[in-house]
Amino acid sequence: GQQLNQSPQSMFIQEGEDVSMNCTSSSIFNTWLWYKQDPGEGPVLLIALYKAGELTSNGRLTAQFGITRKDSFLNISASIPSDVGIYFCAGQRISGGSNYKLTFGKGTLLTVNP
Amino acid sequence: DAGITQSPRYKITETGRQVTLMCHQTWSHSYMFWYRQDLGHGLRLIYYSAAADITDKGEVPDGYVVSRSKTENFPLTLESATRSQTSVYFCASSDGYEQYFGPGTRLTVT
Repeated sequence: GQQLNQSPQSMFIQEGEDVSMNCTSSSIFNTWLWYKQDPGEGPVLLIALYKAGELTSNGRLTAQFGITRKDSFLNISASIPSDVGIYFCAGQRISGGSNYKLTFGKGTLLTVNP
Repeated sequence: DAGITQSPRYKITETGRQVTLMCHQTWSHSYMFWYRQDLGHGLRLIYYSAAADITDKGEVPDGYVVSRSKTENFPLTLESATRSQTSVYFCASSDGYEQYFGPGTRLTVT
């Protein structure tokens, strides 16, 4: 099936640093979602983006819907230890009867050193 | 409790046994989904449902059966469990765009 290219695969940073990660696709998406997954838990929705060029914040998190509709970016400012986890991007493409299925990236594993 | 719940959270079963994983949501979302998560493969869609009594296959449906007689419930059945079905299973529900995930069921098939 279709895949999103999410990078980097992993990051090891110091507490207080800013973090950037992104997802790219060869196809256009109508919606981009960013999730965080803690060990042993389900993914939790962080930010949803619906319009090309849209920039949305949720606390220290900021995500952008790329102007080409083929990419999205997530930034975390002033990282803290509880930011540790796996971050997933997901894209939704309106297409016939499969309007509401998501395509997921493989995830970015974030480790924050206190 | 409001939200989406899964049961059991952990399950160990033997090859060949039938296993049913339960999913319940209280938002009255129309859409519900089952995923499996494996190292190296990420999240893969097994089945999804657009409404009660409407279900469709996802990316990896073989060996699984679903039903949805009520909007709030979406059980996943492994008819004859195999070791390759050892995985973490997530249920999700959606209002059409944003999907919300349950806590997962860790299934081990011995």
